[in-house]
Amino acid sequence: QVQLQESGPGLVKPSQTLSLTCTVSDDSITTDIYYWNWIRQPAGKGLEWIGRVYSNGEPYYNPSLKSRVTISVDTSKKRFSLKLSSLTATDTAVYYCARGYNRETMDVWGQGTTVTVSS
Amino acid sequence: DIQLTQSPSFLSTSVGDRVTITCRTSQVIGNYLVWYQQKPGKAPKVLIYSTSTLQSGVPSRFSGSGSGTEFTLTISSLQPEDIATYHCQQLNSYPITFGGGTKVEIK
Repeated sequence: QVQLQESGPGLVKPSQTLSLTCTVSDDSITTDIYYWNWIRQPAGKGLEWIGRVYSNGEPYYNPSLKSRVTISVDTSKKRFSLKLSSLTATDTAVYYCARGYNRETMDVWGQGTTVTVSS
Repeated sequence: DIQLTQSPSFLSTSVGDRVTITCRTSQVIGNYLVWYQQKPGKAPKVLIYSTSTLQSGVPSRFSGSGSGTEFTLTISSLQPEDIATYHCQQLNSYPITFGGGTKVEIK
């Protein structure tokens, strides 16, 4: 069963750039039938989709975050990454990575990593 | 963006009860509707995809239905382990969006 694991700093200062990585346990990241997503959830609130990338590197971002987001993929290392710039306290959240399949589902999720933006 | 409105936002009910959660979308989304279950401190888990297809391993007391702009998740007989927050998600068009969640508790 494929597993996803997020990694990155738990504390970032305001105005800085957050960098997170999601490592995929199998070779599914090399196939073009899946896409790879970042989603976040502030404490006690709902889920917000940040964006996705395909194995060929093609990204798509949520327009609400587009000016600050970069999502990339490295299939040789079986991982994809999120960069979010110009951080403020409102970016404090649990960040999840997830595998998407067609327009059917996001079937596999990482356990999530908590990111706090604070000086 | 397609807005998803879940109702109710909170539900207090008893073991064995039938539970129905509704997700209304601001536009027609075909059958590209997914339901997730999220327990405290855990990642969301797929229950139902493509409106009504049960994810492998999910108990048959969970079912999904709907069309157009109104979709429902039904738990036929609530069990203690079903205490969680339930989210709907549309995959019809970008940006992908989620409902606000429905928290289910036991009376």
